[in-house]
Amino acid sequence: SQQGEEDPQALSIQEGENATMNCSYKTSINNLQWYRQNSGRGLVHLILIRSNEREKHSGRLRVTLDTSKKSSSLLITASRAADTASYFCATDARGGTSYGKLTFGQGTILTVHP
Amino acid sequence: KAGVTQTPRYLIKTRGQQVTLSCSPISGHRSVSWYQQTPGQGLQFLFEYFSETQRNKGNFPGRFSGRQFSNSRSEMNVSTLELGDSALYLCASSLGWGGAGVDEQYFGPGTRLTVT
Repeated sequence: SQQGEEDPQALSIQEGENATMNCSYKTSINNLQWYRQNSGRGLVHLILIRSNEREKHSGRLRVTLDTSKKSSSLLITASRAADTASYFCATDARGGTSYGKLTFGQGTILTVHP
Repeated sequence: KAGVTQTPRYLIKTRGQQVTLSCSPISGHRSVSWYQQTPGQGLQFLFEYFSETQRNKGNFPGRFSGRQFSNSRSEMNVSTLELGDSALYLCASSLGWGGAGVDEQYFGPGTRLTVT
């Protein structure tokens, strides 16, 4: 079963606008990661934020993490048509055995119109 | 550096048959994880191998199995296929040391399995 929920399920914007996606999860985590998937292909890693970090930037991406609310957000600034994809957050649970196991949210489908 | 490769890319099987999927990780990566992706259940973790040992397993029936070879290549096998096994099967590789949680995963393009 999915640990996380993502909001919104779908987002449609114009090129140049910013896109914000939110992710909530249920258990304590070590890390939270964001991935992008184009049209049912493999996932591409975007950014990893550790549980002791609050914000992280990578190019046009900005990720925040609020462990007290068990939530994260991904902001893509100045969106391009090439950003059209599904975006997933993924967590690994603290404690127990988490080797290699990421729990994914249901994803946000982002469409950027030229 | 070559990425993660998966073979075959597409597969059509009949109920009751078995199937073997292959994954070659990025050179130097010792951890390989497998995921099943379906429209209804999303991405679900199957299992993870590190240095030929299964370190973690998801909640899938025993029909799903895997192994890893000394060169880190991995295979997964599904026996007695059911219609519900139709899915995109993704493998991911990483360095896999696990000390600070799951590190960045590099995914292959996936194998699209259709069971008829």
